[in-house]
Amino acid sequence: DADVTQTPRNRITKTGKRIMLECSQTKGHDRMYWYRQDPGLGLRLIYYSFDVKDINKGEISDGYSVSRQAQAKFSLSLESAIPNQTALYFCATSVTANTGELFFGEGSRLTVL
Amino acid sequence: GDSVTQMEGPVTLSEEAFLTINCTYTATGYPSLFWYVQYPGEGLQLLLKATKADDKGSNKGFEATYRKETTSFHLEKGSVQVSDSAVYFCAPYNYGQNFVFGPGTRLSVLP
Repeated sequence: DADVTQTPRNRITKTGKRIMLECSQTKGHDRMYWYRQDPGLGLRLIYYSFDVKDINKGEISDGYSVSRQAQAKFSLSLESAIPNQTALYFCATSVTANTGELFFGEGSRLTVL
Repeated sequence: GDSVTQMEGPVTLSEEAFLTINCTYTATGYPSLFWYVQYPGEGLQLLLKATKADDKGSNKGFEATYRKETTSFHLEKGSVQVSDSAVYFCAPYNYGQNFVFGPGTRLSVLP
């Protein structure tokens, strides 16, 4: 089983619908992240959390919200999805800032029609 | 802010060819430098890293040397295989900050 699990892996929805992407990890890491990947733009950070009580906005947080339900769970919500939120979304974890290594889930592909 | 410039892809090579993917960066301070790889249908995974000037990171036949004077971290492999087909991301990282990922370079290796 994957150490970082994302659900759903694929989702097609309509404009205006609420969507939640879920991430769970078995690595025991404190730090969790949500990234968005668009062709030619690389990965851009949406939100990150250093522990259950610590939530921080990334560079593109508008239109998104997150919830850190437990050390192992970090959910990303789109309250009212729009077509330009169509993208591949990745959850990632890390141990501390020192090593800098990120561990990624397999991604959730979201299409907003 | 910090930024990364990678060579435009896609890069298409024949098996056993030599690979270079260029990466230059602008960053405050003295970042560590990383290459991540994304195989088809998967998330990113660390390929190699270097933490100080002139360090060489290596893994799976890939190498990259931290060149502080030219702010570069070019990825090389002497003989690519079909299984190396993937998207490669260069990323500087400063302690206490977040990663800055390059746009990625797609590599296709033909048999």
